[in-house]
Amino acid sequence: QVHLVESGGGVVQPGGSLRLSCVASGFAFSDYAMHWVRQSPGRGLEWLTHIRNDGTNQWYADSVLGRFTISRDNSKNTMDLQMDSLRPEDTGVYYCVKPVAASGIRSYFDSWGLGTQVTVSS
Amino acid sequence: EIVLTQSPATLSLSPGERATLSCRASQSVSTYLAWYQQKPGQAPRLLISDVSNRATGIPARFSGSGSGTDFTLVITSLEPEDSAMYYCQQRSSWPSFGGGSKVEI
Repeated sequence: QVHLVESGGGVVQPGGSLRLSCVASGFAFSDYAMHWVRQSPGRGLEWLTHIRNDGTNQWYADSVLGRFTISRDNSKNTMDLQMDSLRPEDTGVYYCVKPVAASGIRSYFDSWGLGTQVTVSS
Repeated sequence: EIVLTQSPATLSLSPGERATLSCRASQSVSTYLAWYQQKPGQAPRLLISDVSNRATGIPARFSGSGSGTDFTLVITSLEPEDSAMYYCQQRSSWPSFGGGSKVEI
């Protein structure tokens, strides 16, 4: 059974930083690309970023390009999202998601964590 | 970016009735479209992929159709537990989601 657990959310001031983590279990983590998806009242569900299974390629939505960095450690079955220069519009629930197909950025998502809340406010 | 527009925003129906939800893409996504269900306090759950393929464990009362730019999710014989938000998502390009439709029962 696939299990994804996010952590690291919290309240941060505009311009601040936060690092989210995701621990995965129940599947061959190192075989799968992984993604982060955000949900907010203003922007709905929004795909943010993808990392290839071996960590060699990352892709970002324009809204977070240059500010967020995705990484992974296959030896620990973990994925991180470093968020810098945070803005109020980055407020939302951040989900670690596993794609249906092991590779490729153009995916459906068959497993989601419970999410971690990020609030950017002064 | 491919924009997905869902309608109606809210649908209020009685148990046993049929729900028809629409998702329209700003450009063709071929058949690369999925539907998700989300209940309050939960993450989205994949219902259907590639227009009409139900995910494991999804009841047959959920069905999808369409191609190109116009897609439909039908829930026949609604049950109380079908009350939720429903989202469409395309993977023809980088993933994007519709704004959702709320089904109230």
